[in-house]
Amino acid sequence: DTAVSQTPKYLVTQMGNDKSIKCEQNLGHDTMYWYKQDSKKFLKIMFSYNNKELIINETVPNRFSPKSPDKAHLNLHINSLELGDSAVYFCASSQEGYTQGYTFGSGTRLTVV
Amino acid sequence: GENVEQHPSTLSVQEGDSAVIKCTYSDSASNYFPWYKQELGKRPQLIIDIRSNVGEKKDQRIAVTLNKTAKHFSLHITETQPEDSAVYFCAASKANSGYALNFGKGTSLLVTP
Repeated sequence: DTAVSQTPKYLVTQMGNDKSIKCEQNLGHDTMYWYKQDSKKFLKIMFSYNNKELIINETVPNRFSPKSPDKAHLNLHINSLELGDSAVYFCASSQEGYTQGYTFGSGTRLTVV
Repeated sequence: GENVEQHPSTLSVQEGDSAVIKCTYSDSASNYFPWYKQELGKRPQLIIDIRSNVGEKKDQRIAVTLNKTAKHFSLHITETQPEDSAVYFCAASKANSGYALNFGKGTSLLVTP
């Protein structure tokens, strides 16, 4: 009964490759997010979608493109991977008004070599 | 944008003692302040949150206080236990921000037996 599930859990890839991370939530939440946690543990928002509509797009390179086919899914596609993209990427979801706070997925550890 | 400062960055206490972590925020429009606990290799998990219309909230050994005038909020953990050892993050958010959480840089808490 995983509430927010991400795949894959680990991703090791070479520079220049394109990769995708998938996220699904079964909580019925209307808002989903991608956060990046760098090597110093700093958590920073990348994107936010509300009912499939992009509402936040922080200063993230164009190589990162989120896609939300429906309100239960938010995928992250990354083109031309760079060494600096190595991080843990967390998907999260919440209900409008924070009635129950955020629920995070288990994270995807991306390593670019 | 919102800037959240968190102190201390590391905190070591003996089992049974209290631990206090403090955060300040810059945007007076922020109105939601959650605290997350992240154990090594795991996802951040919400432990307590407070809204701007409340000054204090308590849940068993954990309490959060909010001073809107001074723009700071604190996490208090009493009777600490070794399993409280983790990284704790404060965050701030406001309506009309896409529900994005702006996180502090985290406090690594170590509780020694």
